[in-house]
Amino acid sequence: DIQLTQSPSTLSASVGDRVTITCRASENINRWLAWYQQKPGKAPKLLIYTTSNLESGVPSRFSGSGFGTEFTLTISSLQPDDFATYHCQQYNTYSLTFGGGTKVEIK
Amino acid sequence: EVQLVESGGGLVQPGGSLKLSCAASGVTFSGSAMHWVRQASGKGLEWIARVRSKANNYATTYAASVTGRFTISRDDSRNTAYLQMNGLQTADTAIYYCTTTDDGGNSIFKYWGQGILATVSS
Repeated sequence: DIQLTQSPSTLSASVGDRVTITCRASENINRWLAWYQQKPGKAPKLLIYTTSNLESGVPSRFSGSGFGTEFTLTISSLQPDDFATYHCQQYNTYSLTFGGGTKVEIK
Repeated sequence: EVQLVESGGGLVQPGGSLKLSCAASGVTFSGSAMHWVRQASGKGLEWIARVRSKANNYATTYAASVTGRFTISRDDSRNTAYLQMNGLQTADTAIYYCTTTDDGGNSIFKYWGQGILATVSS
């Protein structure tokens, strides 16, 4: 299975900060990577698919980039609603796999 | 509006069985692939199973961690997917989410159920 490694596992930041989360794949997944946001007690919410495509309704402060084995999710100016856990997911190959998650906390 | 509603969770002893259901509405069920994703407390997400549509012969795929113990199925007449879990282990304790994708399209999870808790404990 393709392993996805997210870093950092926890990130402390303030409102207005620029935040970057990295997701590294154990092998080439082209651009077949998605990002999800999850809040406590809730199901994940799709933010970005195919590396950089913003899901409908997702604020433009979220962006994604990368190719192959290294990918990033960037929040350009962190808002109070953005404190959550973020997960990456590859869909290049079955079994589908997720990263371990990155929790964005209030500094 | 797409709705996925899971049911059937609960407490079961190690070695026991549990069957989860996922009732779908607002989606073209017959053309969708159905998936189960789980999350142990404080842990990341784990995809565990997919069943494709009739057009793809209801083909199933499983994660290695559940192969041989879990069975995913669907009933298109009821717009419902199922996950039969046998030989349950304490490590299977998790919230189980039902999700759906456009069969033949990319396996990205736009729609999720609210999740159902399955607890394996003596």
